[in-house]
Amino acid sequence: EVQMVESGGGLVQPGGSLRLSCEGSGFTFGSYSMHWVRQAPGKGLEWLSCISSSVSYIYYADSVKGRFTISRDNAKNSLYLQMNSLRVEDTALYYCARGGAPRPDYYMDVWGKGTTVTVSS
Amino acid sequence: DIHMTQSPSTLSASAGDRVNISCRASQSVGTWLAWYQQKPGKAPKLLIYKASTLQSGVPSRFSGSGSGTEFTLTIDSLQPDDFATYFCQQYDSNPYVFGQGTKLAIK
Repeated sequence: EVQMVESGGGLVQPGGSLRLSCEGSGFTFGSYSMHWVRQAPGKGLEWLSCISSSVSYIYYADSVKGRFTISRDNAKNSLYLQMNSLRVEDTALYYCARGGAPRPDYYMDVWGKGTTVTVSS
Repeated sequence: DIHMTQSPSTLSASAGDRVNISCRASQSVGTWLAWYQQKPGKAPKLLIYKASTLQSGVPSRFSGSGSGTEFTLTIDSLQPDDFATYFCQQYDSNPYVFGQGTKLAIK
């Protein structure tokens, strides 16, 4: 079964850092681009970042550029999101999602269940 | 950046109805558009990609159409399981933004 499992969420103070992880299984992880998408409580989906299969392309939304860093370790079937300088407005459920191709400009065909990040003092 | 606008934001319908959800892009995205369904407490699920291609396993009552800046998701003969929130997303160019969502509610 193709699936992704996110971890690393939690409660952090404003200005703090957190590292999210996403482990893929049931598919050749290194052959697909990967994305992070978040959803604030009661709100819509916000695309955050993506990384191509070979790490040739990395893109960020303006809302997280300079604060968040996406990375991947294909040997470990894992995707990461390093989040620094966290703000209250970063509070959300964070999903990782598989892109349907090695390149980043593709739809997301498999999603994890998400990990919750709460930024509060 | 491309901006995606869905309409309506909320749609009330009954089982058996046919409904249309619209998605408009601020500039052409060709046919690089996907539709997702999200139920409360669940992750989004891909329904349609490349504007009109049905994802494997998705019932044929779902269909997508459009190109350029105007797109439509159509659900024929609504089933109880279809009441959910629907999002469009463009993947023509970075950032790969989503529409704000359309909540399909039971009338």
